[in-house]
Amino acid sequence: AQKVTQAQTEISVVEKEDVTLDCVYETRDTTYYLFWYKQPPSGELVFLIRRNSFDEQNEISGRYSWNFQKSTSSFNFTITASQVVDSAVYFCALSGGYQKVTFGIGTKLQVIP
Amino acid sequence: DGGITQSPKYLFRKEGQNVTLSCEQNLNHDAMYWYRQDPGQGLRLIYYSQIVNDFQKGDIAEGYSVSREKKESFPLTVTSAQKNPTAFYLCASSLGAGTGHRELFFGEGSRLTVL
Repeated sequence: AQKVTQAQTEISVVEKEDVTLDCVYETRDTTYYLFWYKQPPSGELVFLIRRNSFDEQNEISGRYSWNFQKSTSSFNFTITASQVVDSAVYFCALSGGYQKVTFGIGTKLQVIP
Repeated sequence: DGGITQSPKYLFRKEGQNVTLSCEQNLNHDAMYWYRQDPGQGLRLIYYSQIVNDFQKGDIAEGYSVSREKKESFPLTVTSAQKNPTAFYLCASSLGAGTGHRELFFGEGSRLTVL
């Protein structure tokens, strides 16, 4: 069985602070994929990043960075110099194949101006 | 613009009524999905379809039905058998079927409230 744990249900930060959203996963598959999605107030989830289980390289995209560590089964997401537009619910997700995606419960991020 | 269109955005239903939520995509994606989102529970899979005229139950299919007569359309019916239908419903699609590495593209959702 697959499981994704996002222990932080809500986080508030002041604008320009850095913030890290935690994601811990469980799977028995040797090949799997990890995702992060952003859900702004409009409702639709927007894909941010995908990582496969064989690629542990960290990734940086602008103010966003992701740290994948198989040893701790974690795939954490850091926003540097947060902005009000970053306020959203962020979901971590796991797929072991055949499109069976398991989502975490989401972390609601509020960036205060 | 390519994307997924869900309608209606808001829907109110009386107990005992069936309602159908529309989902249309013009991305030419093979696979389509319906998720239910409740506070504190993340997204749960209701039904998915990897090809026209075929669909499979997800984790919480009871009280729901779907059809996939056209590639671009995947309507969801919430039947009176669904005991707690008030929720936010999200439709999604992905390119290709049977592969877990594809990202999902989502619509803006439909919020159903039972009165």
